[in-house]
Amino acid sequence: GAGVSQSPSNKVTEKGKDVELRCDPISGHTALYWYRQSLGQGLEFLIYFQGNSAPDKSGLPSDRFSAERTGGSVSTLTIQRTQQEDSAVYLCASSPAGTGKETQYFGPGTRLLVL
Amino acid sequence: GENVEQHPSTLSVQEGDSAVIKCTYSDSASNYFPWYKQELGKRPQLIIDIRSNVGEKKDQRIAVTLNKTAKHFSLHITETQPEDSAVYFCAASMSDQAGTALIFGKGTTLSVSS
Repeated sequence: GAGVSQSPSNKVTEKGKDVELRCDPISGHTALYWYRQSLGQGLEFLIYFQGNSAPDKSGLPSDRFSAERTGGSVSTLTIQRTQQEDSAVYLCASSPAGTGKETQYFGPGTRLLVL
Repeated sequence: GENVEQHPSTLSVQEGDSAVIKCTYSDSASNYFPWYKQELGKRPQLIIDIRSNVGEKKDQRIAVTLNKTAKHFSLHITETQPEDSAVYFCAASMSDQAGTALIFGKGTTLSVSS
């Protein structure tokens, strides 16, 4: 079946602009995760959704970052007033039920460049 | 919260040699330890995982060992091949908690030369 998809694949924006990144998880997967991967860095956890609820927002780096999920499916990560340090690859992953021992299936990522 | 340290950050080996990547974690409650492989320009994919009730797990040329007392776990790749070249990430989580996220190490870039 279809894997996790993300759009856009690449986004170039100017400092101060808002951006929206989209994630389509695998159909039927309850859990959805957002990570950020900066150059030479690991996978930094941002936020987790169980259904439409976000029980763990501890990784969001600032109040410029927000995310929502509707219908237990698509999720949008919004970055307001982008800064150059926001430049990174934003990865989304999903898993069937959200227990920590499940395989997480990753999307291809959105490469964000803030000029 | 959990913190995962991964070493080395880069590793270069000759084809056929073995490669070992080590990770340590801080939270003794963590009990699930997966390893992901990310090839250049591609998404991370799970290659092997281990739960805290076992000390070692093998899958062909890949093995993972876990020492819960010392809070460290390692990935072993034998008979390395050029296609093993990638970034490898270890991770830890408390799998008994619903809604727990994986905490990843910073990754190891493995280069296998022929």
